[in-house]
Amino acid sequence: DSGVTQTPKHLITATGQRVTLRCSPRSGDLSVYWYQQSLDQGLQFLIQYYNGEERAKGNILERFSAQQFPDLHSELNLSSLELGDSALYFCASSSRGGTGELFFGEGSRLTVL
Amino acid sequence: GNSVTQMEGPVTLSEEAFLTINCTYTATGYPSLFWYVQYPGEGLQLLLKATKADDKGSNKGFEATYRKETTSFHLEKGSVQVSDSAVYFCALSEGSSNTGKLIFGQGTTLQVKP
Repeated sequence: DSGVTQTPKHLITATGQRVTLRCSPRSGDLSVYWYQQSLDQGLQFLIQYYNGEERAKGNILERFSAQQFPDLHSELNLSSLELGDSALYFCASSSRGGTGELFFGEGSRLTVL
Repeated sequence: GNSVTQMEGPVTLSEEAFLTINCTYTATGYPSLFWYVQYPGEGLQLLLKATKADDKGSNKGFEATYRKETTSFHLEKGSVQVSDSAVYFCALSEGSSNTGKLIFGQGTTLQVKP
């Protein structure tokens, strides 16, 4: 158990809809990262938050947005969903001053029909 | 930009065979290097890491040495078991940019047959 909790584990929805994925980092970790894992793209970095502020942005679509709340949990919002958004979405956290290791949750599997 | 390249899989081995999964990287500065493992239906777990040149990371019989001269971090194990069947990811940290994010290779699937 990494200590990172993601909900929901599975989600099935239709094209055009909007979903929210939730992540609770390990206790004390200030950084949260979101990654998308798909068969054709591998593991793609989406976005990072540190203590409530956006720190780095990767290949995140404009239809996607994220935020980190004062209690440090994070949400990834995916809107106007397309078939190609079907993927496994991972959240990870890390501690300040660590050696760069990320701790991953078990992922949220999104299926868009 | 920074990138990681892994050998394509799947890699299929018999139990007790020797394993090598190649990983090379392109990076500015001096990144830390990692191997993560993903078992079926689970998230990624850190397998081992190395933070500077010539460091050797090791865990559960797996080893990898940080080779700056060849920009490589190949994963090896002397005798694989069926339980090692998983997807293995090589990654580097963009430490110099201070974001802490990891850049991953595309992953290599290992299947070990009894």
